Amino acid sequence: QQQVKQSPQSLIVQKGGISIINCAYENTAFDYFPWYQQFPGKGPALLIAIRPDVSEKKEGRFTISFNKSAKQFSLHIMDSQPGDSATYFCAASTRSVSGTYKYIFGTGTRLKVLA
Amino acid sequence: ETGVTQSPTHLIKTRGQQVTLRCSSQSGHNTVSWYQQALGQGPQFIFQYYREEENGRGNFPPRFSGLQFPNYSSELNVNALELDDSALYLCASRRQANYGYTFGSGTRLTVV
Repeated sequence: QQQVKQSPQSLIVQKGGISIINCAYENTAFDYFPWYQQFPGKGPALLIAIRPDVSEKKEGRFTISFNKSAKQFSLHIMDSQPGDSATYFCAASTRSVSGTYKYIFGTGTRLKVLA
Repeated sequence: ETGVTQSPTHLIKTRGQQVTLRCSSQSGHNTVSWYQQALGQGPQFIFQYYREEENGRGNFPPRFSGLQFPNYSSELNVNALELDDSALYLCASRRQANYGYTFGSGTRLTVV
């Protein structure tokens, strides 16, 4: 119930195309859903995040779509660029009674954007 | 804000040894978490510290321990190293009222 399932494992997109990465969760107590971008040798960097009271959030070329009833959320990268080539992780979190905000990460999607 | 910095960047240890990894969080970030990221996997939560006390732990044995200091720095200590402890160890911090964690670049630990 604590898992976050992410797909696809890898993705190849042409420059200018749309990259779509999907995640699904089971725990309905999750209340915060961030996406992180990670380049080789670097730590994850927060890209965009959403709460379950919103169905969509857009920041520049990045959009999160959230379907609360289906317990799914996805990241859309519009006009994908070679510089977007990285590994993307979805995550989910909730606040425990002790005050812990633990992120449960997906297994990652390796995106390659062809020039 | 200066970001989250971790040291060292790389480390090689022998099985059975002990290791201490260090993290310097951003000013005002009184919550710090440590994650273990195995190659090709997503980060796994180790534990969280808030105001210098551990207030949450993932599925890691007691030989993984930590400290948080008043100057927003923290440590991860691992005793009796095992080969499976080889991973990227990430420190993440945030302000109390902000859910978004800022991650450091990590320490790559190799146990031989």
